Amino acid sequence: DAGVIQSPRHEVTEMGQEVTLRCKPISGHNSLFWYRQTMMRGLELLIYFNNNVPIDDSGMPEDRFSAKMPNASFSTLKIQPSEPRDSAVYFCASSSSGGRALETQYFGPGTRLLVL
Amino acid sequence: AQSVAQPEDQVNVAEGNPLTVKCTYSVSGNPYLFWYVQYPNRGLQFLLKYITGDNLVKGSYGFEAEFNKSQTSFHLKKPSALVSDSALYFCAVRPVGYSTLTFGKGTMLLVSP
Repeated sequence: DAGVIQSPRHEVTEMGQEVTLRCKPISGHNSLFWYRQTMMRGLELLIYFNNNVPIDDSGMPEDRFSAKMPNASFSTLKIQPSEPRDSAVYFCASSSSGGRALETQYFGPGTRLLVL
Repeated sequence: AQSVAQPEDQVNVAEGNPLTVKCTYSVSGNPYLFWYVQYPNRGLQFLLKYITGDNLVKGSYGFEAEFNKSQTSFHLKKPSALVSDSALYFCAVRPVGYSTLTFGKGTMLLVSP
């Protein structure tokens, strides 16, 4: 199994530009989670999907952030326009069986974003 | 709301010695508890979880954790540390009926040769 795949692994962009992060969950998993990791705030859940439907987006910081899951094998997290305070490592994770407590989340390698 | 506390930012231990990384939690109802490890420039890797049953849970790489309901703790332990265990360790809680994890801030474990 290839595990959770994220791209790009590194992204450097200028303030005001649009940034799109991509995630391919583990095949057969039907829950997908987007997290952000910073030194100051630790690991924060941004949004999670179950069966391609957004269930909880309360962690999305503001309207500049949006996430989609058009099918079971692909999700995007978009930041438009980007700001320097968005610089962080963004992780995608997936789990099976509707994200019930018994199911373990498996994380991708992350995208390291730097907004200048 | 649920929360997780990892009271130590860093734990230092010599190779071959036992290690403990502490975690306490606050949650309404019964918790499901998890430990993850993060190596530099990598994603989080699952180590072990407590769902129900035996309070001592064994996981990957020789790690184990003990669930203590009265103390609301879930400390991570290993009898003999390796230099390669040096990494960032996260404790996480998921209350029964919830689908999302709440993570602690993480504890950096440094194992010296």
